[in-house]
Amino acid sequence: QSVLTQPPSVSGAPGQRVTIACAGDISNIGTGYDVHWYQQFPGTAPKLLIYGDNNRPSGVPDRFSGSRSATSASLVITGLQAEDEADYYCQSSDNTLSVVFGGGTKLTVL
Amino acid sequence: EGQLVESGGGLVQPGGSLRLSCVASGFTFDDYAMHWVRQAPGRGLEWITSITWNTHALAYADSVKGRFTISRDNAKNTLYLHMNSLRTEDAALYFCAKYSLSYGFDTWGQGTRVTVSS
Repeated sequence: QSVLTQPPSVSGAPGQRVTIACAGDISNIGTGYDVHWYQQFPGTAPKLLIYGDNNRPSGVPDRFSGSRSATSASLVITGLQAEDEADYYCQSSDNTLSVVFGGGTKLTVL
Repeated sequence: EGQLVESGGGLVQPGGSLRLSCVASGFTFDDYAMHWVRQAPGRGLEWITSITWNTHALAYADSVKGRFTISRDNAKNTLYLHMNSLRTEDAALYFCAKYSLSYGFDTWGQGTRVTVSS
């Protein structure tokens, strides 16, 4: 059972917009810790996709964006493309100063 | 952003031990906290342990506390994970990663696989 809660799967057709939610609580996201998002393809290491809630590292397309509210965060992908099919993870810290991950969301491009 | 290369994985019997290494290059290793994250087959990412740049603060997930020990040698730009009393549920791909609160895990190794089986 992961500390942060994500839907196991989401799907969308090419060109559509999808949102992946990440629910936390007052001990992690609700404390104000930054939320980061990772993209992972099978058999490879995760890649940082969004850092500090809504910032993209160099090279990440602006189709990817992040947002947060009190105790949750979201990853939004617009203009969905076939190559976006991957697993996505949210991550934050909590009041024990350790790192917490969401359980991951498998994105399927229809 | 640098590079991380893990090694030391392999097949070990339940109750056995293993030491993983992670060699860093391309960034100032002793400026950063370092972490180990693992991923069991078909499962999600699980944070297991971290160490601050100066080794003054260590943290462990409950699942490995008392059995695994993280350490680092800043002179060798190397992070270690000493794993004892291994269980079948410790079988996973183990990643080392560079971390900061503001930027998250911005650099990952390719992973080293640990198999625990008799």
